[in-house]
Amino acid sequence: GAGVSQSPRYKVAKRGQDVALRCDPISGHVSLFWYQQALGQGPEFLTYFQNEAQLDKSGLPSDRFFAERPEGSVSTLKIQRTQQEDSAVYLCASSSSSGSSVYEQYFGPGTRLTVT
Amino acid sequence: DAKTTQPTSMDCAEGRAANLPCNHSTISGNEYVYWYRQIHSQGPQYIIHGLKNNETNEMASLIITEDRKSSTLILPHATLRDTAVYYCIVLSQGQLTFGSGTQLTVLP
Repeated sequence: GAGVSQSPRYKVAKRGQDVALRCDPISGHVSLFWYQQALGQGPEFLTYFQNEAQLDKSGLPSDRFFAERPEGSVSTLKIQRTQQEDSAVYLCASSSSSGSSVYEQYFGPGTRLTVT
Repeated sequence: DAKTTQPTSMDCAEGRAANLPCNHSTISGNEYVYWYRQIHSQGPQYIIHGLKNNETNEMASLIITEDRKSSTLILPHATLRDTAVYYCIVLSQGQLTFGSGTQLTVLP
């Protein structure tokens, strides 16, 4: 079956540009997570949705970062006025929401963002 | 938050068991231990999780010590495709916090 997909896979943005990264979770998965992974480091949590509700956005590094999931399926992570320190791989994950299994997450391949 | 300590890297011969250790001495009684791995240029992949008892699935076994201060992930017959970074995570405050992990290299 189809896994988590993300688009684009690669994005180059000039400093100051806005970008939008898309995540298509596994069909039927109510939980969706965004992570940021800098080169050589482990993924870091950004935000969490249950259906369309954003339940945790404590990991978003600044108010330039915004995520939405308006219909409880596809999600978009938007970064405004990109900075060089935003260069990273952005990972999306989804899971069913059932006790501890919400943390059995299925990850997409990520979007590699390079800000020049 | 419970933190984990893992070796930076390990090697294992193909076909042999790979035993990946993890220390989590500050773990609380109700905190789960999760293991993920990340093959180069791919997203992380869930492997297994446990609370107190040992767990086994089609991918691996998880052995948690009785005091819960450490655990070991066992890949019973490592293959070249198991070469990856393995993350041991203590679930805390509703978030998976990935550390630096262990780079496992399976050698032919």
